[in-house]
Amino acid sequence: DTEVTQTPKHLVMGMTNKKSLKCEQHMGHRAMYWYKQKAKKPPELMFVYSYEKLSINESVPSRFSPECPNSSLLNLHLHALQPEDSALYLCASSQGSTREKLFFGSGTQLSVL
Amino acid sequence: QKEVEQDPGPLSVPEGAIVSLNCTYSNSAFQYFMWYRQYSRKGPELLMYTYSSGNKEDGRFTAQVDKSSKYISLFIRDSQPSDSATYLCAVVNTNAGKSTFGDGTTLTVKP
Repeated sequence: DTEVTQTPKHLVMGMTNKKSLKCEQHMGHRAMYWYKQKAKKPPELMFVYSYEKLSINESVPSRFSPECPNSSLLNLHLHALQPEDSALYLCASSQGSTREKLFFGSGTQLSVL
Repeated sequence: QKEVEQDPGPLSVPEGAIVSLNCTYSNSAFQYFMWYRQYSRKGPELLMYTYSSGNKEDGRFTAQVDKSSKYISLFIRDSQPSDSATYLCAVVNTNAGKSTFGDGTTLTVKP
């Protein structure tokens, strides 16, 4: 199984809502990542988890809260988002945490109204 | 100066053409070089991965790295409409824990 599964595929939320994005991988990878991608731009790193511990937070606003319940799961909790947070949110995993050979999920297309 | 500069495109070619996609990088500390393919509304998919100068071939795809010139290329032979996608180069410096994507080149292969 070389898949990274993300749910939901699409999400529309208001600025006062709380929602969560979910990501799952069963490749035994020890590093998991959240990226944000705006249209016609490359993915931007948000968070890195290595061995279930948060190792990198790229100065992401606190309205985004990551969680790694176990080595296969990664969540991104969203609260009080702004319209400019609308983007494709990608989860990725890799064997090590040095970001070669990233396996990406299909992403969650998020719209904040 | 950006750490990775990618030829912006977009690029449109007829089916069967040879496609050349190119990136340059600024820091010789980058050790690993990747090409990802991203279809519309999907996540990037790792196409090619290399860490040394020279060529690496996989089917119709060839990745070329020239560390002395800090230049990486992806060649696609006998291009197919299914190759229509955005191609992202990426470079990694494991010592610094740093990874950078190019801005992407959108390729359209016309039947």
